[in-house]
Amino acid sequence: GDSVTQMEGPVTLSEEAFLTINCTYTATGYPSLFWYVQYPGEGLQLLLKATKADDKGSNKGFEATYRKETTSFHLEKGSVQVSDSAVYFCALNLDTGRRALTFGSGTRLQVQP
Amino acid sequence: GAGVSQSPSNKVTEKGKDVELRCDPISGHTALYWYRQRLGQGLEFLIYFQGNSAPDKSGLPSDRFSAERTGESVSTLTIQRTQQEDSAVYLCASSSPPGGPKDTQYFGPGTRLTVL
Repeated sequence: GDSVTQMEGPVTLSEEAFLTINCTYTATGYPSLFWYVQYPGEGLQLLLKATKADDKGSNKGFEATYRKETTSFHLEKGSVQVSDSAVYFCALNLDTGRRALTFGSGTRLQVQP
Repeated sequence: GAGVSQSPSNKVTEKGKDVELRCDPISGHTALYWYRQRLGQGLEFLIYFQGNSAPDKSGLPSDRFSAERTGESVSTLTIQRTQQEDSAVYLCASSSPPGGPKDTQYFGPGTRLTVL
């Protein structure tokens, strides 16, 4: 079945460090790919998305490129801030069949000042 | 309202009791989803409503779980005879027409259910 695999956390970084959170997927077909973020005490928010191969999603300094050849959608940010501390979820959605999102297990990021 | 709202925000119940969770989607959104998030885990799909079509119930874990939606508005998720393993955060999301896979799902704040 369809699945999303994320690197396990927690990831602890110092402020201004470079961030990479790995995400790979398995899907039958051509999914759309998403990163959602859950800040402490808040609901899930869409961070960015990409709907076809080689698309790059970007928002708030975060970027992720849809790589069909490696079935990956890694999240990157050049310089993290304390306010980026949150749980990040990678997810996919297919064009056919069930329209629900399939999520990874989430990666907790903690940024220290 | 501006976003998806859910109530109650927290619910503590005793094993064996029934609970009802409510979701108000964003006005005009025809697609509505329920997910469950167990502690430290990702979200699991439960059920999907799209307009007046028959709901996709393929994610419901047992026949103790059911959900209804009135037209394109409020949805309720009911869990009968709750068990301790039902303890989780239940999240609702909605998306705009046509509810296709490329559409963004907007999530509510969730209901944290604790079964004692």
